[in-house]
Amino acid sequence: DTGVSQDPRHKITKRGQNVTFRCDPISEHNRLYWYRQTLGQGPEFLTYFQNEAQLEKSRLLSDRFSAERPKGSFSTLEIQRTEQGDSAMYLCASSSLSGPTPTGGTAEAFFGQGTRLTVV
Amino acid sequence: AQTVTQSQPEMSVQEAETVTLSCTYDTSESDYYLFWYKQPPSRQMILVIRQEAYKQQNATENRFSVNFQKAAKSFSLKISDSQLGDAAMYFCVGDNKFYFGSGTKLNVKP
Repeated sequence: DTGVSQDPRHKITKRGQNVTFRCDPISEHNRLYWYRQTLGQGPEFLTYFQNEAQLEKSRLLSDRFSAERPKGSFSTLEIQRTEQGDSAMYLCASSSLSGPTPTGGTAEAFFGQGTRLTVV
Repeated sequence: AQTVTQSQPEMSVQEAETVTLSCTYDTSESDYYLFWYKQPPSRQMILVIRQEAYKQQNATENRFSVNFQKAAKSFSLKISDSQLGDAAMYFCVGDNKFYFGSGTKLNVKP
């Protein structure tokens, strides 16, 4: 399977616990995005990486959230001291930087199936 | 920065009919991509169609086409000959950090 994979697919945790999610992008993709999606809503941008550099973090990403992408390959998203409001689907996507737009816009992003987090 | 707005939370269409989903956006760039993504219930997000802003011709993919009005910053999706499998959430997306609109839920009636 050469698509974007996310692990685990489902996670149930008790409030106050820490959780970590993993995303494996398509191998040649240098951009990686994390989103949070609640039921019936559009994905909310959390952060994105270009190679190993984290270029932007949303204000939605509180101090309890941290993301890494060591060596520009897979990425992890950690949530510390989880709260019930963290319950959501966490989506990962990857893309390659491509021209011809001057902004280096992305021609297509491929999404994983997501990790559904339930905080009880 | 780029913002994307979808003003139709939900739409319904009869099978085999045509429906148009609306999207407006704001950007300071002159060249960019815009996308429509589809998310079926409990399934993966997939690309429906892509428009390159520097191309004047509207993109078409089989039954899916867009009406791209660059000056008006409007990017609507037309689905012709709607099928039951088209029922899904549809998201308008800008290429700058892939910001999503709030989505339009499309119902297809048999």
